[in-house]
Amino acid sequence: DQQVKQNSPSLSVQEGRISILNCDYTNSMFDYFLWYKKYPAEGPTFLISISSIKDKNEDGRFTVFLNKSAKHLSLHIVPSQPGDSAVYFCAAKGSWGTASKLTFGTGTRLQVTL
Amino acid sequence: DGGITQSPKYLFRKEGQNVTLSCEQNLNHDAMYWYRQDPGQGLRLIYYSQIVNDFQKGDIAEGYSVSREKKESFPLTVTSAQKNPTAFYLCASANDGYEQYFGPGTRLTVT
Repeated sequence: DQQVKQNSPSLSVQEGRISILNCDYTNSMFDYFLWYKKYPAEGPTFLISISSIKDKNEDGRFTVFLNKSAKHLSLHIVPSQPGDSAVYFCAAKGSWGTASKLTFGTGTRLQVTL
Repeated sequence: DGGITQSPKYLFRKEGQNVTLSCEQNLNHDAMYWYRQDPGQGLRLIYYSQIVNDFQKGDIAEGYSVSREKKESFPLTVTSAQKNPTAFYLCASANDGYEQYFGPGTRLTVT
């Protein structure tokens, strides 16, 4: 039962354009969402997060949007740069019970082309 | 320089042998986690520990064992009972359970 889904396994975007990575979740107990970036053969690095009390969080070129009614979040990267090429994981957690563990999606591989 | 270290980066073992993967953190984090990543899959939780001398099974604990004798250390043993041990193993730590910080990973190959 995949509670966090990233339905696009890959995405290719031209340098300078906007990258939009999507994530859907099914567990209504999730109230905190994170995005991680991962290069091959390295550990993921934390990128940005959002609490369910907000619908947007911005950090430089990265913005995460949360639509609670649709159980959907997205990561916008603008402008995209070649160094952004990596696998991006969406993760979610709740405050208690089984939802308190961090649950990861399967990842989206972003390639930023010149 | 605070962080999480995992050693070795690459590990090769023969089938039927137990192998222990090291994870050390100097971030003073209470919680530590072990994940496994396979191609095309997300990170799957093997074991986690929220406090010294206590740990819980994650989603795929069968064939693995852990110990948490010190706050800084959370070694993972891949036993011969693990049917498909070849994978990329990631250790993480967290203080309040929200942002988890990951180590560089260990690629285990069992032949």
